[in-house]
Amino acid sequence: EVQLVESGGGLIQPGGSLRLSCAASGFSFSTYIMNWVRQAPGKGLEWISYISSSSTTIYYADSVKGRFTISRDNGKNSLYLQMNSLRDEDTAVYYCVRGSNSWDYWGQGTLVTVSS
Amino acid sequence: DIVMTQSPDSLAVSLGERATIKCKSSQSVLYSSNNNNYLGWYQQKPGQPPKLLIYWASTRESGVPDRFSGSGSGTDFTLTISSLQAEDVAVYYCQQYYSTPYTFGQGTKLEIK
Repeated sequence: EVQLVESGGGLIQPGGSLRLSCAASGFSFSTYIMNWVRQAPGKGLEWISYISSSSTTIYYADSVKGRFTISRDNGKNSLYLQMNSLRDEDTAVYYCVRGSNSWDYWGQGTLVTVSS
Repeated sequence: DIVMTQSPDSLAVSLGERATIKCKSSQSVLYSSNNNNYLGWYQQKPGQPPKLLIYWASTRESGVPDRFSGSGSGTDFTLTISSLQAEDVAVYYCQQYYSTPYTFGQGTKLEIK
């Protein structure tokens, strides 16, 4: 069974940093493109970052470029999102998502709340 | 950036009736080299992550009931639920994965009339 389990969310002050993790199981993680998508409370979905299977290609949304860093460790079947210089508007549930042509598996999400 | 616009924002349909949701992209998401539309549809119920329903604009994901269908090409797409069931109450999103930034429609809230 494919599973994606995010962790690392929590309450953080503006300007702070947080590292999210996504533990993958039930599939060959190293062969799949992965993404991070977020959803602010009561709002729609926003794609924020993409990483290819071998980490050679990475993309970011303009809203997080220069502040967030996506990475992966295929040996540990894990995806990461390092978030720096956090702002109030980064408050959201963050989902890790498998795939490029069909985004077929989503984690349950981890809530990040940026507030003083 | 490709802007995805869904209509309507909300929709109330009687049980057993047809529900239709439209999605329009600001530029074509049809990749001519493989003739695929890079367009997906998702269903999201409260407190849950989105669930993939349709990819390549019209390919139903495994396990998705056949009352869900997707159609369209280029810039205009439709998600149809042929006979609405109570469990279909949700917010539905379209998404383009043709080019980054990958973008979603604003969502359509589907309710029972």
